[in-house]
Amino acid sequence: GAVVSQHPSRVICKSGTSVKIECRSLDFQATTMFWYRQFPKQSLMLMATSNEGSKATYEQGVEKDKFLINHASLTLSTLTVTSAHPEDSSFYICSASQQGARGELFFGEGSRLTVL
Amino acid sequence: AQRVTQPEKLLSVFKGAPVELKCNYSYSGSPELFWYVQYSRQRLQLLLRHISRESIKGFTADLNKGETSFHLKKPFAQEEDSAMYYCALLQGGSEKLVFGKGTKLTVNP
Repeated sequence: GAVVSQHPSRVICKSGTSVKIECRSLDFQATTMFWYRQFPKQSLMLMATSNEGSKATYEQGVEKDKFLINHASLTLSTLTVTSAHPEDSSFYICSASQQGARGELFFGEGSRLTVL
Repeated sequence: AQRVTQPEKLLSVFKGAPVELKCNYSYSGSPELFWYVQYSRQRLQLLLRHISRESIKGFTADLNKGETSFHLKKPFAQEEDSAMYYCALLQGGSEKLVFGKGTKLTVNP
């Protein structure tokens, strides 16, 4: 089956620094990738939809300048949390879909960000 | 607004008992619904989708448009079914999924 790899799985950073999380589709081309944020004991909240070669589409309430998304190739999307603060601490999950398979997402392992 | 409701945060059953995880949706068009599952320390993965009308690992889910429901059922639960289950609705005209808050299923021996 299709595999999505996310890196790093855990990251701890100081307040004010930026953190980059990578999401790769290992054995398929992902024209669309999605970035989610999951709060403890809550559901996945869609942050943005990332399309290869174009700007990401952000959900309402998500700060574009805070969460920079780049989908540079058909197998790689990155999420950069800029000037991170403790309230940005969360579990970030990426997913990707194959063309023609709407709603069938392949998820990464998730990245646990802790901002001190 | 499109919304997915999973009324039960926690559900506990004994091995061999039937299990039903509830999911209700709010959507004005023709819905496309999915169930995703997350086993302990594993990533989220697709369990089944209503379009394919398939049974996966003994689970089935029927779309009931009258009741706007898509409950997940299994006649005889197994311990390995213990996991977090998420119901999801595909937003019309897009590839975005709206997820419910999830139900944690525990199957006791």
